Amino acid sequence: ETGVTQSPTHLIKTRGQQVTLRCSSQSGHNTVSWYQQALGQGPQFIFQYYREEENGRGNFPPRFSGLQFPNYSSELNVNALELDDSALYLCASSLDGRVSKETQYFGPGTRLLVL
Amino acid sequence: KNEVEQSPQNLTAQEGEFITINCSYSVGISALHWLQQHPGGGIVSLFMLSSGKKKHGRLIATINIQEKHSSLHITASHPRDSAVYICAVKEGAQKLVFGQGTRLTINP
Repeated sequence: ETGVTQSPTHLIKTRGQQVTLRCSSQSGHNTVSWYQQALGQGPQFIFQYYREEENGRGNFPPRFSGLQFPNYSSELNVNALELDDSALYLCASSLDGRVSKETQYFGPGTRLLVL
Repeated sequence: KNEVEQSPQNLTAQEGEFITINCSYSVGISALHWLQQHPGGGIVSLFMLSSGKKKHGRLIATINIQEKHSSLHITASHPRDSAVYICAVKEGAQKLVFGQGTRLTINP
């Protein structure tokens, strides 16, 4: 059984560019959540995807968008990058996003630096 | 909106000491998670609690739903326990709200 994987591990972009981050969920998991963690802070919920549909969204602007594929892997897209988007982006998968008492399994994260 | 507060923010102790990290939250929740984050970013889920107490090895987590408070204890601490410990609460099915984390350093 493979765990949650993310790619790339590190990325450097400039302001105004667009970025796509990828996440492969743990085998058998149909739900992926994305989080942004700024340096020295706890993670902040961006959104969650359950069976290819957005299933909840945090307080992030529309330039943060996502996608979940039939194999339940997921992408996070950020358009018009800003300096404050520099952060560690974490994805977490769980067995069933409709269930509140579910453990989430985290990937190693993608560290994004916007210059 | 749930506010999750952790204390202390930083903790340094000697190997072998008993460690307690506290977490308070403001609104009723469906579950509380304790997570461990090592340098480099990877997060590992330690416990998920909705009541009572759970134990895994040297780690013990307790929760008091009435007082909206949870504690994570580490017995016989070891330098490899050095990490950031994060409390997160589940609101409904989707959203985890995280505390800022407690940076624990255990010196040999």
